[in-house]
Amino acid sequence: QSALTQPASVSGSPGQWITISCTATSSDFGDYTYVSWYQQHPGEAPKLIIYDVNNRPSGVSNRFSGSKSAKTASLTISGLQAEDEAVYYCSSFTGTNTPVFGGGTKLIVL
Amino acid sequence: QVQLVQSGTEVKKPGASVRVSCTASGYTFTNYIISWVRQAPGQGLEWMGWINVGNGNTRYSQKFQGRVTITRDSSARITYMDLSSLTSEDRALYYCARGGAKFCSGGSCQGSGWYFDLWGRGTLVIVAS
Repeated sequence: QSALTQPASVSGSPGQWITISCTATSSDFGDYTYVSWYQQHPGEAPKLIIYDVNNRPSGVSNRFSGSKSAKTASLTISGLQAEDEAVYYCSSFTGTNTPVFGGGTKLIVL
Repeated sequence: QVQLVQSGTEVKKPGASVRVSCTASGYTFTNYIISWVRQAPGQGLEWMGWINVGNGNTRYSQKFQGRVTITRDSSARITYMDLSSLTSEDRALYYCARGGAKFCSGGSCQGSGWYFDLWGRGTLVIVAS
């Protein structure tokens, strides 16, 4: 069980928006400042889509956005597209700067 | 082109060791941290350790401490991950990824940030007798 809890799956229809949560269940994450999100399609390597809670790397669609409230970070995907169907992982760092990944959330586009 | 290219599939017997390599191109190799992350079949991502390519410092996950060694050859722009005493539980895809730490001193920084911004395609390690 990861110290970062994500829902196992979420679903949405094309054009809708969805939110995936990532909750730090341990107090060991300090201010939970460094939250990043990764998209992984089947058979591919993970791809960074959000870093430092709410920053998008160059080339990532602005349909992806991140936020945080207390110990829960969220990834929002607006205007859902079929190509968004993938597994999404959150990641952060403990107080000893140890990287931790959430268990992953499978996004199903209906 | 900015990329990390990993070595090919490895098949090992239980108890053996494996070495996976990761060759970087397209960026200043010694300015970054390289992490190793593994993914068991159908499972999530698990950080194993990192190396500060600039100075060779390493940090390992407690889970793998004593079994994993990460090294680099700066001249060849290669990072290596050695994993010993393999069991069937070690069957997984092993990724190298740029990032996982950032160290700043005197106005300069080592590492891109507290995230993993560039990934290799993964190396499959199979452990079977």
